Amino acid sequence: GAGVSQSPRYKVTKRGQDVALRCDPISGHVSLYWYRQALGQGPEFLTYFNYEAQQDKSGLPNDRFSAERPEGSISTLTIQRTEQRDSAMYRCASSSNPPYSPLHFGNGTRLTVT
Amino acid sequence: AQTVTQSQPEMSVQEAETVTLSCTYDTSESDYYLFWYKQPPSRQMILVIRQEAYKQQNATENRFSVNFQKAAKSFSLKISDSQLGDAAMYFCAYEQGGSEKLVFGKGTKLTVNP
Repeated sequence: GAGVSQSPRYKVTKRGQDVALRCDPISGHVSLYWYRQALGQGPEFLTYFNYEAQQDKSGLPNDRFSAERPEGSISTLTIQRTEQRDSAMYRCASSSNPPYSPLHFGNGTRLTVT
Repeated sequence: AQTVTQSQPEMSVQEAETVTLSCTYDTSESDYYLFWYKQPPSRQMILVIRQEAYKQQNATENRFSVNFQKAAKSFSLKISDSQLGDAAMYFCAYEQGGSEKLVFGKGTKLTVNP
């Protein structure tokens, strides 16, 4: 079926606004991951879910960042009171049986905070 | 904390030639996985090859192979018979067994010259 879908592809927002980034994983994939990639850097882990349970949120930079996956499928990453330093590519990935099955990454959401 | 170092920000290779991308990592764990991901201009993130630390045999996938030196904590990627479509950013990544978190290096930009 289709790959991991992320929306929007691009988001420009003003400093102080809240944003919600959506990830629709591959159907049936148990695990879902969020990564952030700054320009010129490799992706950096934020958080991940198995089904609807958030297993690890150690990579979330501060309490302005939160994520949920209420029905074990679609996930939303929310950034409150955005700051310019939040500008980055936000990538979602899913996997059916990690680490034996590979991560499938979405094409990301490019967030720009002005 | 585990770290992944890619010491070559940029590399170039002539079409049909062979190129090796370097990666070193730092860990005190014995159970882990290593990966190479390719990120072409299309923004995708594509798994190229993976290696389980407990396997002594180097992984190969068609024209891609790794040189895994566990004692030296080195994991280089060799691309044989380079093709124009191999041009991309290449990221080395580490995953501690059971963590489900990938730690990425900063990447190497590979240019393939016709």
